[in-house]
Amino acid sequence: EAGVTQSPTHLIKTRGQQATLRCSPISGHTSVYWYQQALGLGLQFLLWYDEGEERNRGNFPPRFSGRQFPNYSSELNVNALELEDSALYLCASSLEGRGGNQPQHFGDGTRLSIL
Amino acid sequence: AQSVTQLGSHVSVSEGALVLLRCNYSSSVPPYLFWYVQYPNQGLQLLLKYTTGATLVKGINGFEAEFKKSETSFHLTKPSAHMSDAAEYFCAVSDPAWGKLQFGAGTQVVVTP
Repeated sequence: EAGVTQSPTHLIKTRGQQATLRCSPISGHTSVYWYQQALGLGLQFLLWYDEGEERNRGNFPPRFSGRQFPNYSSELNVNALELEDSALYLCASSLEGRGGNQPQHFGDGTRLSIL
Repeated sequence: AQSVTQLGSHVSVSEGALVLLRCNYSSSVPPYLFWYVQYPNQGLQLLLKYTTGATLVKGINGFEAEFKKSETSFHLTKPSAHMSDAAEYFCAVSDPAWGKLQFGAGTQVVVTP
C-alpha cells in the first residue's frame, strides 16, 4: 500500500512569491491534514479537509489556503511568502476524520525555503 | 481544549538500556492518544495509538505505552534501546471536534554505545 506522497520534496522561493505544495493521501482515506513544522515552533496544525470541504483551519493568516480535489488529493497554497514561512510542511491522511480516533499517516513533507 | 506536555526535550540512553519518554495530556473529553517518531529528513511515523479498550498498548519496533487516566499520562517505553531508536518522538492527543492532532514539543532521543 502506497503511503502519503508529497511533492515537491524541496521548494525554494523568494519573499512575496507564491508556493503550491501537493499531497496524495493513502488510497481509501478521505481526510487530509496539513501541518507546519518550523524550527523552534514545533508542529502546528494548518488545515483539515474532508470529502472536499475545509473542516477546520489553524491559527494562520488567510494567505495560507488550500483545497481538496474529488480524488481526495490536496494542495496547499501560500501567497505573499515571508521569511518566517520557511519550514517543513507535512501532509497527513486518515479514514474519515470526524471523531478523532483514526490515526493520521504522514508523508515525508515538503521543505519550503524562503530567501 | 486539548494539550500535551512532554517532559524532557532531550534524553540520552545507553544501548540496551530502558527507554522511557514521558507524556502528560489535558483533555476535556475521553482522549485519543498517539505516539509518533520522526527520523531526520522524514515525516512522522505512527508508533502506537490508544483509543479505547486495553490501557497497555503495544506498537511497532518494540515500543509500548500505558494510558493512565488517573495520572493523565501516556508514557512510552522500550525495554532495550537500539542505535536505530535515535530519533525525535512526539506524543499527540486528537481533538475530535477540530480534526487536528495537538502535539507535544517532542523529545530527542540519543542512543550511546
